[in-house]
Amino acid sequence: SYELTQPPSVSVSPGQTASITCSADKLGDKYASWYQQKPGQSPVLVIYQDSKRPSGIPARFSGSNSGNTATLTISGTQAMDEADYYCQAWDSSTYVVFGGGTKLTVL
Amino acid sequence: EVQLVESGGGLVQPGGSLRLSCAASGFTLSDYWMSWVRQAPGKGLEWVANIKQDGSEKSYVDSVKGRFTISRDNAKNSLYLQMNSLRAEDTAVYYCARDLYFFESWGQGTLVTVSS
Repeated sequence: SYELTQPPSVSVSPGQTASITCSADKLGDKYASWYQQKPGQSPVLVIYQDSKRPSGIPARFSGSNSGNTATLTISGTQAMDEADYYCQAWDSSTYVVFGGGTKLTVL
Repeated sequence: EVQLVESGGGLVQPGGSLRLSCAASGFTLSDYWMSWVRQAPGKGLEWVANIKQDGSEKSYVDSVKGRFTISRDNAKNSLYLQMNSLRAEDTAVYYCARDLYFFESWGQGTLVTVSS
């Protein structure tokens, strides 16, 4: 089965750049998406098709995907960005697959 | 405004059944694939099932095959998940979501607890 691997946690200082990775075999050949989830809330799509931002998502959120790794980058990280982040891809054998999630701490 | 509202969750004994519903508004349900995604307490997201616009194609994660059935009624703007032979490991918040190979709209979720 196809699996996406994320680091369990990432820490960043306010105003700095946070990078969250998502790794899998030939992930760059697929589209990656990213979701933000705050405690007690539903997930929110922040990046789709590797690097596109939905309406209403701040420009400080960006994404890339190449080789075996997709990366979510948050520039000028704010306290409100503290949340769990999940990557997701679609695979022809497993269909939808999510990464295990990364807890972003802003401190 | 796109709205997805899940209902039907609750406490059920192992081996029991439950039917979840998702009421859609603000868009034409028949234009979209739809999915159910679940999240066990304190755990990550897990895709459960999806269904094509006209209901002619359905897919499931291996752990629910043969036990869960996804369906839809476009005339009623509703998506369903029939869950049979429930197990403790099915305990989770269940979300419905608009499926475009990514999930750009989510409901608030409904909690299913499988316990004796």
